[in-house]
Amino acid sequence: GAGVSQTPSNKVTEKGKYVELRCDPISGHTALYWYRQSLGQGPEFLIYFQGTGAADDSGLPNDRFFAVRPEGSVSTLKIQRTERGDSAVYLCASSPRVTGELFFGEGSRLTVL
Amino acid sequence: KQEVTQIPAALSVPEGENLVLNCSFTDSAIYNLQWFRQDPGKGLTSLLLIQSSQREQTSGRLNASLDKSSGRSTLYIAASQPGDSATYLCAVNTGNQFYFGTGTSLTVIP
Repeated sequence: GAGVSQTPSNKVTEKGKYVELRCDPISGHTALYWYRQSLGQGPEFLIYFQGTGAADDSGLPNDRFFAVRPEGSVSTLKIQRTERGDSAVYLCASSPRVTGELFFGEGSRLTVL
Repeated sequence: KQEVTQIPAALSVPEGENLVLNCSFTDSAIYNLQWFRQDPGKGLTSLLLIQSSQREQTSGRLNASLDKSSGRSTLYIAASQPGDSATYLCAVNTGNQFYFGTGTSLTVIP
């Protein structure tokens, strides 16, 4: 596709449920990032992939959060046992290389009731 | 840890005015700096990317400068228009991640 695509755009779930958020980066972009943004705040780093491997996962808040990118393209962010504090917009971005321009998707808004 | 600060947090100007948004960062070991625009409920749109070896970049009415040694960048918007109203974010790239400021919310009054 022409840009970074994220699905779903909105997800409402109940506390304790499992959630998957999907990101389809720009074709050919090797770097992929997940960020989380709360209202009125700048994006907060979660994890960075270079190809298939997680080059930096230091931003994942705890072991309920996990992300994969098995074929070096599409990535899935997985959240287990969701909590109300997980409610936020989850943003995905991709870049052609580590020093390249970053392009964002429209985000997935997660609401945990 | 890299910290990014944006001042002011909010800015309101009449249409046609030139304005400057500021971004400062604490660690000068960066690959590049990128300015974004974010409209309410939307993702981030890239405006300008400045590599660490560059001093400035221009795109239309926008000009971004970078002084890496002092840890500062500015985004200059010429002849502001109501359509420029949005939140502007700067982000510094340290190699493994981009660190973001909290943004400047700009309102251009017709």
